[in-house]
Amino acid sequence: QSALTQPASVSGSPGQSITISCTGTSSDVGGYNYVSWYQQHPAKAPKLMIFDVSKRPSGVSNRFSGSKSGNTASLTISGLQAEDEADYYCSSYTSISTNVVFGGGTKLTVL
Amino acid sequence: QLQLQESGPGLVKPSETLSLTCTVSGGSISSSSYYWGWIRQPPGKGLEWIGSIYYSGSTYYNPSLKSRVTISVDMSKNQISLKLSSVTAADTAVFYCARQLITYDFPRKQNAFDIWGQGTMVTVSS
Repeated sequence: QSALTQPASVSGSPGQSITISCTGTSSDVGGYNYVSWYQQHPAKAPKLMIFDVSKRPSGVSNRFSGSKSGNTASLTISGLQAEDEADYYCSSYTSISTNVVFGGGTKLTVL
Repeated sequence: QLQLQESGPGLVKPSETLSLTCTVSGGSISSSSYYWGWIRQPPGKGLEWIGSIYYSGSTYYNPSLKSRVTISVDMSKNQISLKLSSVTAADTAVFYCARQLITYDFPRKQNAFDIWGQGTMVTVSS
């Protein structure tokens, strides 16, 4: 069982916006602004898309945005494109001994 | 441009020790601004943090693996290493090394993994 809860799958049509949620507790997502999001295409290494809840690394499209409310963080992808089809994982710092926790992952399908 | 490359045996026998090395190029592993971590992903499953190390040698391990994991750093070779003992089939996974950001507040905390290696598949089987 993953420490952070994500929906197993989401889908959307090209041009639409989708949001992926990541629910934790006050010991991780709710207690710290250290939530990150990763994109993983099949047989590829994960790629950092968002860190510190809403910051984008250099080179990441501004179609990707992050936010947080209470114990739930969200990744929003606007103007959906076929290349966005991938698995997405959230992660957070946790004050509980694991230090780093990942979500179970969400498969994004672009219809 | 910083690059990370994992290396090691692709097949390990049950009960033996899995040993992997991550070679960092294009930058120094002795930077005070980063941790260096290992993450694994069983086939068809999600990511699991194994542990992280600071260049000083301070280590942080996932409690579920702590009794079997050792992560070390070799600054002369710009490498970090992972050893996982008493492996079983459940340890079969792609293993990634990654550079890890450190938070700016105090005490400093582990943050996102911003640069990843390509990963190496390790199968545990007799």
